[in-house]
Amino acid sequence: KAGVTQTPRYLIKTRGQQVTLSCSPISGHRSVSWYQQTPGQGLQFLFEYFSETQRNKGNFPGRFSGRQFSNSRSEMNVSTLELGDSALYLCASTTGMTGGNYGYTFGSGTRLTVV
Amino acid sequence: QQQVKQSPQSLIVQKGGISIINCAYENTAFDYFPWYQQFPGKGPALLIAIRPDVSEKKEGRFTISFNKSAKQFSLHIMDSQPGDSATYFCAASRGGAQKLVFGQGTRLTINP
Repeated sequence: KAGVTQTPRYLIKTRGQQVTLSCSPISGHRSVSWYQQTPGQGLQFLFEYFSETQRNKGNFPGRFSGRQFSNSRSEMNVSTLELGDSALYLCASTTGMTGGNYGYTFGSGTRLTVV
Repeated sequence: QQQVKQSPQSLIVQKGGISIINCAYENTAFDYFPWYQQFPGKGPALLIAIRPDVSEKKEGRFTISFNKSAKQFSLHIMDSQPGDSATYFCAASRGGAQKLVFGQGTRLTINP
C-alpha cells in the first residue's frame, strides 16, 4: 500500500514569490491535513480538507491556502513568501472518520527554503 | 488552553534502560492522545495512542500512562535500543477534529 506522497521534496524560493506544494494521500483516505514544522515553533496545524471542503483551519495568515481535488489529492499554496516561511511542510492523511483511532499517516514532507 | 507541554527537550538513556517522556495538557476537551516518532528526513510516524477512558496502554516495548485528573500522560520505552534514537512528539486532539496539537518534541538518544 503506497504511503502519503509529497512533491517536491526540496524547494528553494525567493522572498515575495509564491509556491505550490502537492500531496497525494493514501488510497481511500478522504481527509488531508497540512502541518508546518520549524525548529522554533515545532509542528503547527495549517488546515484540513475532507471531500474537497476545508473542515479545520489553524492560525496562519491568509497567504497560506489550500485545496483538495475530487481524487483527494491536495495542494497548498503560500503567496508572497517571507524568510520565516522556511520550514518542513508535512501532509497527513486519514480516512476522516470521527470518533475512531485517527491513525494519521504523514508524508516525508517538502523542505521549503526562502532566500 | 490549546497547549501541550512536553518534557524533557532531550534525553540520553543507556541501551536496555527505560526512556520516559512526559506531556501535560490544559484543554479538558481533548479526547485523543497519540505519540509520534520522527527520524531525520522523515515525517512523524504514529507509535501508540490512548483515549482518556483508560489509564494505560501497552504495545510491545511502548507504554502510555494517562492521568486524567492531573491532565498528564507519558510514554515509557522499555529495554531502549539504539534504533529508538529519534525525536518523539506527544499530541492531543478533541471531538473528532482532524487537528492535532503537538508538544515541542523530545530528542532521544540511546547509547550502545
